[in-house]
Amino acid sequence: QQPVQSPQAVILREGEDAVINCSSSKALYSVHWYRQKHGEAPVFLMILLKGGEQKGHDKISASFNEKKQQSSLYLTASQLSYSGTYFCGADNTDKLIFGTGTRLQVFP
Amino acid sequence: GAVVSQHPSWVICKSGTSVKIECRSLDFQATTMFWYRQFPKQSLMLMATSNEGSKATYEQGVEKDKFLINHASLTLSTLTVTSAHPEDSSFYICSALPRNTEAFFGQGTRLTVV
Repeated sequence: QQPVQSPQAVILREGEDAVINCSSSKALYSVHWYRQKHGEAPVFLMILLKGGEQKGHDKISASFNEKKQQSSLYLTASQLSYSGTYFCGADNTDKLIFGTGTRLQVFP
Repeated sequence: GAVVSQHPSWVICKSGTSVKIECRSLDFQATTMFWYRQFPKQSLMLMATSNEGSKATYEQGVEKDKFLINHASLTLSTLTVTSAHPEDSSFYICSALPRNTEAFFGQGTRLTVV
């Protein structure tokens, strides 16, 4: 089943923060996060494998809850380059199912 | 990271014709590849899992006779859209999913059926 993301869309000014949530109806093996720009392949952001895990690099971080059904992506001090559509990916060991997507627009 | 090469990057074909899209793993062997389809402003929807040397596994609602998948070698998977119609126009993308790491994507193919 497809994970549900919220919000569906976010509009930010440069420097503002955003949180994108991903919810699965069942526990996952791992959760991935990707950003996609129009007409291009998704770009990998990070993967979380363990319940309760939190990780990040630069100004992008993510968490995975203990039950491995919820994940959140945190974008801090957003930049224009953060614009795009963000997808979580639910990995149940045999395939990757993408979430519903969150469209993020960052304006100067 | 692993490199997946997909060709063509775009194709325009006439309604009723067939189109083949190739996906190659350049620096690793892929026993399994995944094919996704993405309509404008929508998510990537998994169409099928391509298995080397055996039949592909199709997701519910995907017509296996229309979207033919062949995975004849460890480095090549192909998707053929048969008797294409305008509603098949979409962005098709393949990927490999090694264990415990990111998915590696091809560049994607923009198919337009006129």
